Amino acid sequence: EPEVTQTPSHQVTQMGQEVILRCVPISNHLYFYWYRQILGQKVEFLVSFYNNEISEKSEIFDDQFSVERPDGSNFTLKIRSTKLEDSAMYFCASSRAGNTEAFFGQGTRLTVV
Amino acid sequence: DAKTTQPPSMDCAEGRAANLPCNHSTISGNEYVYWYRQIHSQGPQYIIHGLKNNETNEMASLIITEDRKSSTLILPHATLRDTAVYYCIVRVITASKLTFGTGTRLQVTL
Repeated sequence: EPEVTQTPSHQVTQMGQEVILRCVPISNHLYFYWYRQILGQKVEFLVSFYNNEISEKSEIFDDQFSVERPDGSNFTLKIRSTKLEDSAMYFCASSRAGNTEAFFGQGTRLTVV
Repeated sequence: DAKTTQPPSMDCAEGRAANLPCNHSTISGNEYVYWYRQIHSQGPQYIIHGLKNNETNEMASLIITEDRKSSTLILPHATLRDTAVYYCIVRVITASKLTFGTGTRLQVTL
């Protein structure tokens, strides 16, 4: 069964460093998303991406964040200068169309120290 | 998106049906009801969705009341592996993002 894969599963980074989280969405999906979940809190939407551009973003997704589809298979989330409060699980998701069900990866646990 | 209300927790004996309720009294005609679950800290897993008719797939059944103000997710024979947080989400037909609440923590016991 096709699945969304995320790497790495766990990333530890120093405060102020840049980090790139990687995702391989399901191959025939056209819409890509990033969500995050701070420990013990809700899953929060960050950004959606379609046709090589951001289609929607939340207030959390400020100038420190960027997304990219560098090739035909990867979808990345970059955090330019990490803060302690960026520590969270980051989930990538993809869907066939914008209004169809989204399938999530297993997440990357980001720890900022 | 319309707000949803779910009980914070429920228990179910293994082998029995788990019936998870969700209230969405302000739902609009152009909003779907989606159910996802999250096992421990894994990524949310899609279960089922519906607009107004009842739906069934290999994982679960979704019963939506005629007035669409509430729904019930049914896991027909719960197993220990169904222990998870279950999220009921209302989403506009044309929207792509999902807005997660706090969900119902289902504990399946022996």
